[in-house]
Amino acid sequence: KAGVTQTPRYLIKTRGQQVTLSCSPISGHRSVSWYQQTPGQGLQFLFEYFSETQRNKGNFPGRFSGRQFSNSRSEMNVSTLELGDSALYLCASSLEGTNYNSPLHFGNGTRLTVT
Amino acid sequence: GIQVEQSPPDLILQEGANSTLRCNFSDSVNNLQWFHQNPWGQLINLFYIPSGTKQNGRLSATTVATERYSLLYISSSQTTDSGVYFCAVTSTGNQFYFGTGTSLTVIP
Repeated sequence: KAGVTQTPRYLIKTRGQQVTLSCSPISGHRSVSWYQQTPGQGLQFLFEYFSETQRNKGNFPGRFSGRQFSNSRSEMNVSTLELGDSALYLCASSLEGTNYNSPLHFGNGTRLTVT
Repeated sequence: GIQVEQSPPDLILQEGANSTLRCNFSDSVNNLQWFHQNPWGQLINLFYIPSGTKQNGRLSATTVATERYSLLYISSSQTTDSGVYFCAVTSTGNQFYFGTGTSLTVIP
């Protein structure tokens, strides 16, 4: 079974631009969550989607948004990029979500650099 | 949110040595998972263990939910065990809270 696939692996953007990251979960997984990892803040939760509905959102500004499609694939978008948005963005999928006996499986991440 | 503390922050071991990593959390949880992040950034799920003890090869984990801590044991460490180990917990809601990790270096 294929794992969680994130594209692209690397991105370099300029301040003020916007970016869209993609995540394809493991087949059959309906929950997709996104995390930002930085050396200073560690791993921080962005949002979680289940059956195309956002169930929870972390403490990030409205410039960070996401969506999930009917095939469970998910995208996240960051608008008006700032230097501090440079990070590794990780997507994770699970069968049912965090409150169930449902291990979380991560993709390889997208490394975003904002210049 | 739930506070998650991991110790030690850094650990250097000789190949073949054993180690214990600790995760303390500030509130009751219904889900706790351990992950290993390899040097290439890939996060691998090691255990789903909200309570009790599990073993997988040279790795085992124990969670004492009533005392709000979990332990990850690594026996006969190998250089491929190097990386960062994270504990993540959740209670209500649908988000995981991650600890700051333990960075493990195994030297041959």
